[in-house]
Amino acid sequence: EVQLLESGGGLVQRGGSLRLSCAASGFTLSGYDMIWVRQAPGKGLEWVSGFSHSGSRPNYADSVKGRFTISRDDPKNTLYLQMSNLRAEDTAVYYCATRPTGPIDFWGQGTLVTVSS
Amino acid sequence: DVVMTQSPLSLPVTLGQPASISCRSSLSLVHSDGNTYLSWFQQRPGQSPRRLIYKVSNRDSGVPDRFSGSGSGTDFTLKISRVEAEDVGIYYCMQATHWPLTFGGGTRVEIK
Repeated sequence: EVQLLESGGGLVQRGGSLRLSCAASGFTLSGYDMIWVRQAPGKGLEWVSGFSHSGSRPNYADSVKGRFTISRDDPKNTLYLQMSNLRAEDTAVYYCATRPTGPIDFWGQGTLVTVSS
Repeated sequence: DVVMTQSPLSLPVTLGQPASISCRSSLSLVHSDGNTYLSWFQQRPGQSPRRLIYKVSNRDSGVPDRFSGSGSGTDFTLKISRVEAEDVGIYYCMQATHWPLTFGGGTRVEIK
């Protein structure tokens, strides 16, 4: 069964750091472009970062550039999002997903990050 | 950045009646590879987003055929031929042609 399982969310103080993980099963992450998407409480979907399977330079939303880093561990078949210097506006449910360009589309269940001020 | 503009913001629909959602992009979504990476997602309350349509008009596996997507360039439409109660939720368009990827603001579909 194909699955993406996010973890690592939680409560963190403003200015703190967290690392989110997205473990894949049933398929190989390295064969797909992967993205992180977030959704603040009561708000719409916001793309955060993306990582090409070919290993080209990762991309970031302006709102997180310089603070977040996306990476991938192929042996562990896991995608990461390292978040630092967190702000209240980073509070959201974070989803990992495949970049929706083809017939394959996988999403995780999301992990909640709450930044307290 | 490509701005995705959805309308309407809210769409009250009678059960069994059709519904249509518009999505316009500020830039053509035709990729250099010739594909147009425009997707539609449905998000039911408390659930993760679920993709319905990819590359403008391709239905995902398991998606009822009452959902259809159309359009080209900068103008796209999601249609529900006959709305059912389970279709209640928020619908988002998303472009994956240009980095950064961008979503529309969402359209809330509700039953009258």
